[in-house]
Amino acid sequence: DAGVTQSPTHLIKTRGQQVTLRCSPKSGHDTVSWYQQALGQGPQFIFQYYEEEERQRGNFPDRFSGHQFPNYSSELNVNALLLGDSALYLCASSLPVPTDTQYFGPGTRLTVL
Amino acid sequence: QKEVEQNSGPLSVPEGAIASLNCTYSDRGSQSFFWYRQYSGKSPELIMSIYSNGDKEDGRFTAQLNKASQYVSLLIRDSQPSDSATYLCAGLLNDYKLSFGAGTTVTVRA
Repeated sequence: DAGVTQSPTHLIKTRGQQVTLRCSPKSGHDTVSWYQQALGQGPQFIFQYYEEEERQRGNFPDRFSGHQFPNYSSELNVNALLLGDSALYLCASSLPVPTDTQYFGPGTRLTVL
Repeated sequence: QKEVEQNSGPLSVPEGAIASLNCTYSDRGSQSFFWYRQYSGKSPELIMSIYSNGDKEDGRFTAQLNKASQYVSLLIRDSQPSDSATYLCAGLLNDYKLSFGAGTTVTVRA
């Protein structure tokens, strides 16, 4: 049973650049959520995708956007990177209703210089 | 007020002892709660979920939920060095969003 996968594992960007992170959900799941985890903090909810649409969004600026594809995989895009965007970005997949147990992928470590 | 708060820790316990972790939440509408374990540099791994008042046991782990007091706890019995990690408490808000506490770091001393 394939778990949640994410790519890339690590990424280094400079301020002002744009980045795309990718996620494939666990087999049988069709809902994908994205979280940002800064060092020493708990994950913070960015947004959730279901049926290729953003279903709910956390307190993140419009620089953070996403997409879900027909095969349920998802991308997180961050534009105009800031130093403060350096974090572990986590993707979690789940069944849609209710969005119950969420299973996390290994994460993408983004460093902005 | 944060939606989910955990006691600050860090927590250090000897091998074989019980580790007790606590969490409170502010939204009375939250129905589902989860404990995740996160090793340094890794992603969160689900260890327990709880939905009803009372206790739920799974091996050496026991989760407790008290909705009247808006309180969730996790007990780790017979703590092992491999239990050394950060434990994250999370509540499901609005059926979609997991709200996490900042985590409690547990160290089990051999």
